[in-house]
Amino acid sequence: EVQLVESGGGVVQWGGSMRLSCTISGFRFDDYAMHWVRQAPGKGLEWVSLITGDGRDTFYEDSVKGRFTISRDNSKNSLYLQMNSLRTEDTAIYYCGKDLRYTRSTYSETFEMWGQGTMVTVSS
Amino acid sequence: QSALTQPPSASGSPGQSVTISCTGTSSDVGGYNYVSWYQHHPGKAPKLIIYEVNKRPSGVPDRFSGSKSGNTASLTVSGLQAEDEADYYCRSYADSNNLGVFGTGTKVTVL
Repeated sequence: EVQLVESGGGVVQWGGSMRLSCTISGFRFDDYAMHWVRQAPGKGLEWVSLITGDGRDTFYEDSVKGRFTISRDNSKNSLYLQMNSLRTEDTAIYYCGKDLRYTRSTYSETFEMWGQGTMVTVSS
Repeated sequence: QSALTQPPSASGSPGQSVTISCTGTSSDVGGYNYVSWYQHHPGKAPKLIIYEVNKRPSGVPDRFSGSKSGNTASLTVSGLQAEDEADYYCRSYADSNNLGVFGTGTKVTVL
């Protein structure tokens, strides 16, 4: 059974840092790109970042570029999101998502599986 | 990249059908057959229910179907059941960012 479990959320002050983790099981982790998607309170889904299966390429939504860093440790079946210089508008539930496409070096726009999310609250 | 446009809400009685639209442009929905739909019950993991416009992942009931005409994609839920009450989001590949864009989301209520 495919499972994605996020952790690391909580309350952090404006300007602070937080590291989210996503641990997976049930599939060969390094064969798939992975994504982070967030949902602010009362808002819709927003894609945040992705990393290819081989870890060589990363992409970010414009508002988080230079502040967030996505990474993965394929030996630990784990995905990470390091968030620095946090703003109140980063307050959201953060979901990790498994890409649909079976490919180590590229990605798609479709998320086959998601975790249940971890809440990040940035206080002012 | 602007979000795809979905109606904020839709509703139907049990057993009826409801159709949700997802309108974009020729640079996303209209130009590519990479439209997906997600069902999201608040507090739970979102679930992929349609990909590549009209394909269903294994385990998704055939009550869920997708289609596309021009710049608008649609999700139809037939034979509405109480458990279909959820938020639904479309997503499309977008050549403006070579990634994708989400729809604004539609809350489906089963009356």
